[in-house]
Amino acid sequence: DQQVKQNSPSLSVQEGRISILNCDYTNSMFDYFLWYKKYPAEGPTFLISISSIKDKNEDGRFTVFLNKSAKHLSLHIVPSQPGDSAVYFCAASTYNQGGKLIFGQGTELSVKP
Amino acid sequence: NAGVTQTPKFRILKIGQSMTLQCTQDMNHNYMYWYRQDPGMGLKLIYYSVGAGITDKGEVPNGYNVSRSTTEDFPLRLELAAPSQTSVYFCASSPTSRGLGELFFGEGSRLTVL
Repeated sequence: DQQVKQNSPSLSVQEGRISILNCDYTNSMFDYFLWYKKYPAEGPTFLISISSIKDKNEDGRFTVFLNKSAKHLSLHIVPSQPGDSAVYFCAASTYNQGGKLIFGQGTELSVKP
Repeated sequence: NAGVTQTPKFRILKIGQSMTLQCTQDMNHNYMYWYRQDPGMGLKLIYYSVGAGITDKGEVPNGYNVSRSTTEDFPLRLELAAPSQTSVYFCASSPTSRGLGELFFGEGSRLTVL
């Protein structure tokens, strides 16, 4: 039973437009969520996170939205740049379990010039 | 500024062989983790450690062993390699296990078992 799901394996967006990556979860005990970005042949790198006490967190071009009632979060990238092309993983955990993250399958974002 | 270093980057094993994936970090983090990523899947936690001498199982520990004799090193041992262990393995560390602490990942070790 997959507790964190990213139902879109891939997404293609034009440079300068908005990219929206989605993530759903089933475990209501999760209380914090993170997004990681991964380039080929590299390890994932942390991008942005959000606690369950918030519904939005913003960092530059990246914004994460959390809808607890729907058990859904999304990552918005505005404006999208070709360098954003990578695989994006959504991950979740509980506060006391910290680094024991449950990952989604990933969404491969392609930003075309 | 090395961060988390994994060796080897690539390895091919025969069924039944054993090997150790090495992981070392220079950030003085207490918490270290081993994840595996299968094609088209997310990362799954194999083992983790909260400090030297302390380890515990994650979601998919079968077929693996770990040790943590120092803060810096967290090797992952495969005793009898099986094709199901073909995967990319990522080691990670973090300064905390609580709250929004991010993980710092190594570049990965790609293992193929034939």
